[in-house]
Amino acid sequence: AAGVIQSPRHLIKEKRETATLKCYPIPRHDTVYWYQQGPGQDPQFLISFYEKMQSDKGSIPDRFSAQQFSDYHSELNMSSLELGDSALYFCASSLELAHEQFFGPGTRLTVL
Amino acid sequence: AQKITQTQPGMFVQEKEAVTLDCTYDTSDPSYGLFWYKQPSSGEMIFLIYQGSYDQQNATEGRYSLNFQKARKSANLVISASQLGDSAMYFCAMREGANQFYFGTGTSLTVIP
Repeated sequence: AAGVIQSPRHLIKEKRETATLKCYPIPRHDTVYWYQQGPGQDPQFLISFYEKMQSDKGSIPDRFSAQQFSDYHSELNMSSLELGDSALYFCASSLELAHEQFFGPGTRLTVL
Repeated sequence: AQKITQTQPGMFVQEKEAVTLDCTYDTSDPSYGLFWYKQPSSGEMIFLIYQGSYDQQNATEGRYSLNFQKARKSANLVISASQLGDSAMYFCAMREGANQFYFGTGTSLTVIP
C-alpha cells in the first residue's frame, strides 16, 4: 500500500540558509500535518492543512511557512535556519478527523 | 500545563510478560482522541492504537490494549506477551479540537530476553 512520502530524507544546510521539505500524502488523504522532533525529544506539532487550507497551527516559528497544493502535497519552507532547527521533520496524513495519522519516514535536517 | 504526561522515561520487561505504559492527559474539550505510537531506533513513527473520548469500550489491537479511565484522564497502553521487537520508544498523543495534536515525552521500553 502507498505510504506517505517525504523528500529529501536527509538535508544538510548552513546557518541562515533556507530549506524546503516536501510531503506527499497517501492518495485520497486530505489532511497533512507537520511535526518537528529534536534529538531525544517528543514530536512537536507545527501546523496542519485540510483541503489545502491551514487547519491548525502549533509551535511553528515565524521563519517557517507551509502550504498544501492542489494535488494535496505539502511543502514546509524554512528560512534563516538556526542550529536549533536541526531535527527530524515528520509529515503525516489522514482523512479528516479519522482516527489514524500515517507518518512519513521523516526528513533529517542538520544545520551546521 | 502539560497536555500529555508520560511519567516513565524507561521501562524494562521480560520477554513474554505484559507491560503497562502510563499516560495521563489534560483537556477541557469534551471531544478528543488518544493515540499510542511506537518509534523504533530507525526513527519511523508507527500507529498502534486509538481511543475516542466517547468510546465506551477500551480499544484493543492485537497484543495492544488501551486502559481508558476517563474520570482519571488516563490512557495507559498495555502490551501483552512482549516480544524483543517491541523494544522502542512509545509516545502517547492526544488530538484536541479538529487537528491539534500533542505528544508526551515518551517511554523507552526494553524487552529483555
